[in-house]
Amino acid sequence: GENVEQHPSTLSVQEGDSAVIKCTYSDSASNYFPWYKQELGKGPQLIIDIRSNVGEKKDQRIAVTLNKTAKHFSLHITETQPEDSAVYFCAASPNTGFQKLVFGTGTRLLVSP
Amino acid sequence: EPEVTQTPSHQVTQMGQEVILRCVPISNHLYFYWYRQILGQKVEFLVSFYNNEISEKSEIFDDQFSVERPDGSNFTLKIRSTKLEDSAMYFCASSDYQNIQYFGAGTRLSVL
Repeated sequence: GENVEQHPSTLSVQEGDSAVIKCTYSDSASNYFPWYKQELGKGPQLIIDIRSNVGEKKDQRIAVTLNKTAKHFSLHITETQPEDSAVYFCAASPNTGFQKLVFGTGTRLLVSP
Repeated sequence: EPEVTQTPSHQVTQMGQEVILRCVPISNHLYFYWYRQILGQKVEFLVSFYNNEISEKSEIFDDQFSVERPDGSNFTLKIRSTKLEDSAMYFCASSDYQNIQYFGAGTRLSVL
């Protein structure tokens, strides 16, 4: 089955810096890659996703890149703000119909003012 | 904005007791899921549900677990005889046909 690895486990940046979180997956059948932000005591919140027919997607300060050949995808946050501090999870899923999400182990991002 | 609603937010129970966790998925979604997150760990898939039947379940989802859609709006997870290791956050999610999954805020289950 699918296995998703995520790095780093913790990331500390200064406000205004960029942050990059990387994930690799094992199942070449996976075609859908969402990213979730989880704040303390809350459920995962979808922030951006990408499907395998595109290599990059941007939404304001957040971007995701996908390299299907290498089976890895990354989350890029530019101009980080203290409110970006949270745990970020990547996930992978086959795109056919509805399927379970397989999550990475999470990255705790701390943005210091 | 539509959201997935879960109740209760926190459930405390004694080992061996039955618990029912409740979820109201987004109204026009047809696919429903339960996930579990043990404190400090990643989110793990438990079960998916479509058209009134289980589509897929993980090895965690043993005979002690069951799911039900008792009416047109609720989706429940029952644990028949809770164990200490069932203590976790339980998240309900729902999706449209594109598999974009939206999560509820979760129920924290504490088994004493």
